[in-house]
Amino acid sequence: DTAVSQTPKYLVTQMGNDKSIKCEQNLGHDTMYWYKQDSKKFLKIMFSYNNKELIINETVPNRFSPKSPDKAHLNLHINSLELGDSAVYFCASSPGLETEAFFGQGTRLTVV
Amino acid sequence: QKEVEQNSGPLSVPEGAIASLNCTYSDRGSQSFFWYRQYSGKSPELIMSIYSNGDKEDGRFTAQLNKASQYVSLLIRDSQPSDSATYLCAVADRGSTLGRLYFGRGTQLTVWP
Repeated sequence: DTAVSQTPKYLVTQMGNDKSIKCEQNLGHDTMYWYKQDSKKFLKIMFSYNNKELIINETVPNRFSPKSPDKAHLNLHINSLELGDSAVYFCASSPGLETEAFFGQGTRLTVV
Repeated sequence: QKEVEQNSGPLSVPEGAIASLNCTYSDRGSQSFFWYRQYSGKSPELIMSIYSNGDKEDGRFTAQLNKASQYVSLLIRDSQPSDSATYLCAVADRGSTLGRLYFGRGTQLTVWP
């Protein structure tokens, strides 16, 4: 009964490939996020969705495209992967817009 | 970009001591503050939230908030080796519909037996 689950946990791929990360939450939250944690452990928001609507789109390359088919799911698709995309990507959800976020287990993406 | 600064670590304390973790933030109007614990290779886990000035206690953890000084801290009493982790301070974007959390860079805590 994992609250926020994302797959895969590890992803190793070559430069130039396209990959997707899936996220699902069973908490009934309206808001979902993608965060990126770099090698220095700094967590930074990438995207936020509220009720399937995109409300935050930070300055990330347009090779990154989130998709929310419904309130419980938020997927991240990445085109033309680059070495600098290597990081841990966390999905999160929250019950409201100024409340705490609950994180998935993370996807460690390594681009070689 | 709103700033969230944490005291530089790493912080090392003996078992049973009090560990003190500090955080300052740049947006004076911020209303919601959170402390997360992140073990190596794991995801951030919420341990405390605080919204009003003063202290909030939960077991061995006490969060302190001073909005006038734009300062929030976390005290861990009777520190245990299992408390060894990186502690992340987070501040919610205020009064908007954006809902993002701004994170500090974390303070790595080691509790030695």
